[in-house]
Amino acid sequence: ETGVTQTPRHLVMGMTNKKSLKCEQHLGHNAMYWYKQSAKKPLELMFVYNFKEQTENNSVPSRFSPECPNSSHLFLHLHTLQPEDSALYLCASSQEGPENTEAFFGQGTRLTVV
Amino acid sequence: GDSVTQMEGPVTLSEEAFLTINCTYTATGYPSLFWYVQYPGEGLQLLLKATKADDKGSNKGFEATYRKETTSFHLEKGSVQVSDSAVYFCALRRPEYGNKLVFGAGTILRVKS
Repeated sequence: ETGVTQTPRHLVMGMTNKKSLKCEQHLGHNAMYWYKQSAKKPLELMFVYNFKEQTENNSVPSRFSPECPNSSHLFLHLHTLQPEDSALYLCASSQEGPENTEAFFGQGTRLTVV
Repeated sequence: GDSVTQMEGPVTLSEEAFLTINCTYTATGYPSLFWYVQYPGEGLQLLLKATKADDKGSNKGFEATYRKETTSFHLEKGSVQVSDSAVYFCALRRPEYGNKLVFGAGTILRVKS
């Protein structure tokens, strides 16, 4: 495995379900990100983790709960979502610091809330 | 705040046509500028970048020049192929904010054979 891997690729969930999205990076980066891509809207940055610490939460509703247990893994826990939360959720990683790199993206999880 | 504006799509071209996708930005200081491409069913891939004024990024026949005087970073390709059909995103990053990217809305490109 190389790069940034997201699972599952597709997810359909009811509004009362609880599910989790997983992201794993094999690039040795120290920062990870969750983005939301909705139809006809710019990508929205949701959360940023640097060295496993959350450094940004862009006013994301509490029904989205991130978790970063180590610098290689990032989760997005979902509960009581709304239909408008249906979107493509993209994970990215990068190296922050003196030798910073551009962001590398996973293939995304296509989430449908019914 | 920082923002990126791209031309609305979809852009539909015949194979071997010339491509321009316009991108302008609003940001203080000296941001780095990027073009990302998203092929159907895939995540985003970095296509090219430029980190300072007058830099030209290039990759796979695509080019974009960082124009500070016009705050623009237009994407061009001399001869498109069907395989170039994708969504193209212009983005900026301000160094003081690490690797957080501000994206445009994306432009769909469709190339017909």
